[in-house]
This record gives sequence, structure tokens and C-alpha cells, in this order.
Amino acid sequence: NAGVTQTPKFRILKIGQSMTLQCTQDMNHNYMYWYRQDPGMGLKLIYYSVGAGITDKGEVPNGYNVSRSTTEDFPLRLELAAPSQTSVYFCASRLNHNEQFFGPGTRLTVL
Amino acid sequence: DAKTTQPPSMDCAEGRAANLPCNHSTISGNEYVYWYRQIHSQGPQYIIHGLKNNETNEMASLIITEDRKSSTLILPHATLRDTAVYYCIVRVVLGGAQKLVFGQGTRLTINP
Repeated sequence: NAGVTQTPKFRILKIGQSMTLQCTQDMNHNYMYWYRQDPGMGLKLIYYSVGAGITDKGEVPNGYNVSRSTTEDFPLRLELAAPSQTSVYFCASRLNHNEQFFGPGTRLTVL
Repeated sequence: DAKTTQPPSMDCAEGRAANLPCNHSTISGNEYVYWYRQIHSQGPQYIIHGLKNNETNEMASLIITEDRKSSTLILPHATLRDTAVYYCIVRVVLGGAQKLVFGQGTRLTINP
């Protein structure tokens, strides 16, 4: 299993541009999550999904959108990028026990 | 969710046991204690979790006090690869979405 994969690894956006951060897991996990981590801080939950077709907001959802059309994929969409969205983004997944598996992260800079 | 308090940083000599404390004085009876770590900006890695009994796995041991207001993560023989930020999280496990709340953690440095 490849686990949780994220693309791209790095990206620089201009203010107002849009992009989609991709997340895929091959472990057939029901639950998937998007977090962001600002420098020197812990992770904050953006959105999560309990299964295909079901998503819900986390702690910091403003400026983001998600979809979950398949079990494997959970893309995160930024519509109008702002400097405040400069961060490292982590995707995670979980089956029915307690451990969340995290991807390697996407480093996003908005200038 | 109960709030946790951890020291911002700790040092430990290579080969010695690293003991990382966590206070969670407002923990509820149905909340578990989880530990994750993050090595140099990689994605966090699960270590261990427990409710009230002490737990051990291949990575670490978790000691929870009888009143459950604090816990200690023990890395028995720390190596340089254990240098990381360690997060203590308390969370109810009801088969739901399990939304983890990360604080700032403890930055553990293992010295040669």
C-alpha cells in the first residue's frame, strides 16, 4: 500500500488564483481529513469526511471547499487564494480503529 | 474536548529513556489520551493511546495516573531519530469522526 499520497508537494500561488490539493488513500478508509499547519503551530482541522458523499466543516473551513465522490479521493479546493492561506496542508485517513494516517503534506505559499 | 498542557521543549541523551509529561486535568471519563509525533515537518505519526490502563507497544509506553489528570509517554531507549515534536491529545472515541485537536506539543531533542 502507498498509504496516503498528496500532490503537489510544493506550490506558489498569486493572490486570487485557485487550485486543488489532491489527496488519495489506497487503504479503503472511511474517514478522511484535511488539516493545515502554520509555522510553529499545531495542526488545525479544515474539513473532514466520514464516507463517500459526506463532508463536514472542521475548525477553520473558511476559504476552502471539499468533495468526496469516491472512497479513495478527498480533494481540497482553494477558490481565491489569500496570503493567510500560506501553510502546510496535511491529509489524513482512518478506518474504524483509532489511528489516523497522515500524508507527507503540501507546502503552499500565496504571494 | 479536554485541554492538554505540555512543556514546550525537552532534551534527552541518546540511549536513555525519554519521559514526556502531559497534563489533562479536565479530562472526562470517556476521553482517551492519544500521542502523535511529527518529525521535521513530515506528517504526524501515531504512537499510542490509552483510556486508564497503562499501555505499551513497539514504539513507546503510556503511563496514565490513577486520577487520569496526567500522563507520561516513555520512549525507553531514545535514538537520534526520535527527535521530533510530540503531541498529547485527548479525545472521545464514539466511532464518530474523531476530530483531533493538536496543541503546540513538546519539541524533544535527542542529543548524542
